[in-house]
Amino acid sequence: SQTIHQWPATLVQPVGSPLSLECTVEGTSNPNLYWYRQAAGRGLQLLFYSVGIGQISSEVPQNLSASRPQDRQFILSSKKLLLSDSGFYLCAWSVNRVSGNTIYFGEGSWLTVV
Amino acid sequence: GQSLEQPSEVTAVEGAIVQINCTYQTSGFYGLSWYQQHDGGAPTFLSYNALDGLEETGRFSSFLSRSDSYGYLLLQELQMKDSASYFCAAASGGSYIPTFGRGTSLIVHP
Repeated sequence: SQTIHQWPATLVQPVGSPLSLECTVEGTSNPNLYWYRQAAGRGLQLLFYSVGIGQISSEVPQNLSASRPQDRQFILSSKKLLLSDSGFYLCAWSVNRVSGNTIYFGEGSWLTVV
Repeated sequence: GQSLEQPSEVTAVEGAIVQINCTYQTSGFYGLSWYQQHDGGAPTFLSYNALDGLEETGRFSSFLSRSDSYGYLLLQELQMKDSASYFCAAASGGSYIPTFGRGTSLIVHP
């Protein structure tokens, strides 16, 4: 069966510090990968998605970036965090086909920028 | 663009039946998904309707009407643990990326 893991689960970072959230998927090949952010009590905002190694699409311009160095690894980064970057970050995957729009989420990472 | 509308909050009592509606505006619609998210947790997949009609999974059922651009999630025999946010999501127009509704907060009272 397929599993998805992301880490760290929680982190508190000062403004201006870097960020790295990692996500790995097991049990499937060539998945679509996603990074979402969810502010407290709000909906899901798609940040980045990837259809393959090195292929990253950004949905929202901001000081975050994403990379996919391996087929089942997705990394969310920032060089300098802002207070507004606080939130719940979710990595997710789906089958790589047009009609495969069922998304499976990782456990999430709570980021507090202070 | 794509948009999905769902109520922001629904309340019900334990043991009751509740229906959470979702209307969508998309082109080339593929299907409607539902997700559950408890406070502090990640969304989990509940159901997917590609065809019109009702899909039943235990106490939860999901319905789709393509002609009405409408679907709903039906929760029966409500339990306190069903208190959570519920999101509908749809992909369309040749894109595999679903658009999510803003979520419905379900509050179950004893």
